[in-house]
Amino acid sequence: DSGVTQTPKHLITATGQRVTLRCSPRSGDLSVYWYQQSLDQGLQFLIQYYNGEERAKGNILERFSAQQFPDLHSELNLSSLELGDSALYFCASSDRDRSPNYGYTFGSGTRLTVV
Amino acid sequence: AQSVAQPEDQVNVAEGNPLTVKCTYSVSGNPYLFWYVQYPNRGLQFLLKYITGDNLVKGSYGFEAEFNKSQTSFHLKKPSALVSDSALYFCAVRDGSRGDSNYQLIWGAGTKLIIKP
Repeated sequence: DSGVTQTPKHLITATGQRVTLRCSPRSGDLSVYWYQQSLDQGLQFLIQYYNGEERAKGNILERFSAQQFPDLHSELNLSSLELGDSALYFCASSDRDRSPNYGYTFGSGTRLTVV
Repeated sequence: AQSVAQPEDQVNVAEGNPLTVKCTYSVSGNPYLFWYVQYPNRGLQFLLKYITGDNLVKGSYGFEAEFNKSQTSFHLKKPSALVSDSALYFCAVRDGSRGDSNYQLIWGAGTKLIIKP
């Protein structure tokens, strides 16, 4: 157990629908990062939050949005889903002040299948 | 701009042979370098890191990596490959001279390592 919890583990939904993916970071970590990984592909950075505020944006579609709550958990909202949105969505957390020499701690991901 | 290159999409090695997975980087400040491994349908797991000190870094599962500043490389190595080492390997870098809350890792595209019995 990495300490980063993602739910649900699997999600199957139809095109046009909206889903919410949830991430609880490692205890005390202030930063949360969301990544998309398509089949056998690399990591596509979507967005970063730090202590409730958006800090960096990557290749995130306008149909996607995210937020980080006061308890530091984060949600990634995907709407108007298309077949091409099918992918593994990873959450990672880190905290510069606590462990600046370490990278990220990843969750086990949510596998989204759009049918 | 910061960047990471993993020049090989796939590396094939026979079990028992040494393996190398290549990584080169570009950062403007001090490089903090990382290797992560991803097994099928799993999240990424930290393998090892270079922050400062000895150029040869030892990590989990018998892996090691050598930091070469002049060649801006951080190749992952293992003296004797196991079939269970077959996985996707990612190299990442951050600029260690930046200490702000925008702390981000820059990722390579990943290299699929296949170890054949």
